[in-house]
Amino acid sequence: EAGVAQSPRYKIIEKRQSVAFWCNPISGHATLYWYQQILGQGPKLLIQFQNNGVVDDSQLPKDRFSAERLKGVDSTLKIQPAKLEDSAVYLCASSIDSNYGYTFGSGTRLTVV
Amino acid sequence: AQTVTQSQPEMSVQEAETVTLSCTYDTSESDYYLFWYKQPPSRQMILVIRQEAYKQQNATENRFSVNFQKAAKSFSLKISDSQLGDAAMYFCAYIIMEYGNKLVFGAGTILRVKS
Repeated sequence: EAGVAQSPRYKIIEKRQSVAFWCNPISGHATLYWYQQILGQGPKLLIQFQNNGVVDDSQLPKDRFSAERLKGVDSTLKIQPAKLEDSAVYLCASSIDSNYGYTFGSGTRLTVV
Repeated sequence: AQTVTQSQPEMSVQEAETVTLSCTYDTSESDYYLFWYKQPPSRQMILVIRQEAYKQQNATENRFSVNFQKAAKSFSLKISDSQLGDAAMYFCAYIIMEYGNKLVFGAGTILRVKS
């Protein structure tokens, strides 16, 4: 089975610019997650989708971050405007049954300069 | 608050030897699942092993096994016959059913394998 696809793999932007990340989950996985992983820390959940509805976005900085999951498949995470502290790896994951864990993509490494 | 604590920022092991990574967690719930994930430099999180809290028997997957102490809220990972390919960041994590099936991670332990 194909894994979770993410793009781009790397992105360097200047502060105050905008950036978007794309995720294609495993086919049939209803639940999709975006995590932020700052260097040296464990991943932290930003947003959780069930099909195309948001289940939990309590940790998403909504003044600058937005996410959508059109048609319950692909998802896009956007940051506008970016700050230096947004430099991190952004991981997308999907699951069909979270009790068995998630399948993660390879992430996008964002550097804000 | 949901917390997972990994008290060892970094560990080293000689190739072919055994190493144990520590993890403790905090919850008052009885229904949850515990995981160890491996993150190599490629950044992709790879599931190593999974434990159901209601099962007393410790999970094993080939060279990987856990020591699950529910009363102590401890979940350590033992890697036997360590290989160079085991070098990575290891994260302990859990999902608590009452809290929406969200995977909560510890800060991670870097494992270095010496040849």
